[in-house]
Amino acid sequence: GDSVTQMEGPVTLSEEAFLTINCTYTATGYPSLFWYVQYPGEGLQLLLKATKADDKGSNKGFEATYRKETTSFHLEKGSVQVSDSAVYFCALSEGIKAAGNKLTFGGGTRVLVKP
Amino acid sequence: KAGVTQTPRYLIKTRGQQVTLSCSPISGHRSVSWYQQTPGQGLQFLFEYFSETQRNKGNFPGRFSGRQFSNSRSEMNVSTLELGDSALYLCASSREGQKEETQYFGPGTRLLVL
Repeated sequence: GDSVTQMEGPVTLSEEAFLTINCTYTATGYPSLFWYVQYPGEGLQLLLKATKADDKGSNKGFEATYRKETTSFHLEKGSVQVSDSAVYFCALSEGIKAAGNKLTFGGGTRVLVKP
Repeated sequence: KAGVTQTPRYLIKTRGQQVTLSCSPISGHRSVSWYQQTPGQGLQFLFEYFSETQRNKGNFPGRFSGRQFSNSRSEMNVSTLELGDSALYLCASSREGQKEETQYFGPGTRLLVL
């Protein structure tokens, strides 16, 4: 079945440092890929997404490129802020029309940015 | 536009009881999915409803059930609660439930089973 593997945290960084969170996936078809972020006590918010190979998703300084050849969707940000401290989830949606869209999540990576 | 709302936000039950959680999707969204989040198992898909029909189901026992109403609001029910059912239950909605669509999540219902 489908699966998503992302690097375990916690990742601790200083403000303005470069952030990379690795994500690789296994899927039988051509999934859509997502990064969601979860702040303490809240639900998940979409950070960015890519729906086909070589697409780049970007939002709030975060970027990720859908790499079909390496089955990866690594998240990057050039200069993190304290407010980026959160848990980040990589996810895929295989989605066969008749069966709807089901998100398969990675285990989450906790990021802590220190001033 | 209002986001996904879930009620109640917090719930405490005892083993053997049953519980019903409610989810109101974003206006115009017809697909509603439910997920369970626990520290040990992470985020796991429970089921998805579209136009009052369950289209997909995750690997959970039959104690977990759900339904969707004609206005797209959804409920999930857990019967004969077990300690391991303690979790954050998240509801998400999307317009048509297509794989490329963003699923918008509610704040969740935190269930504690004693």
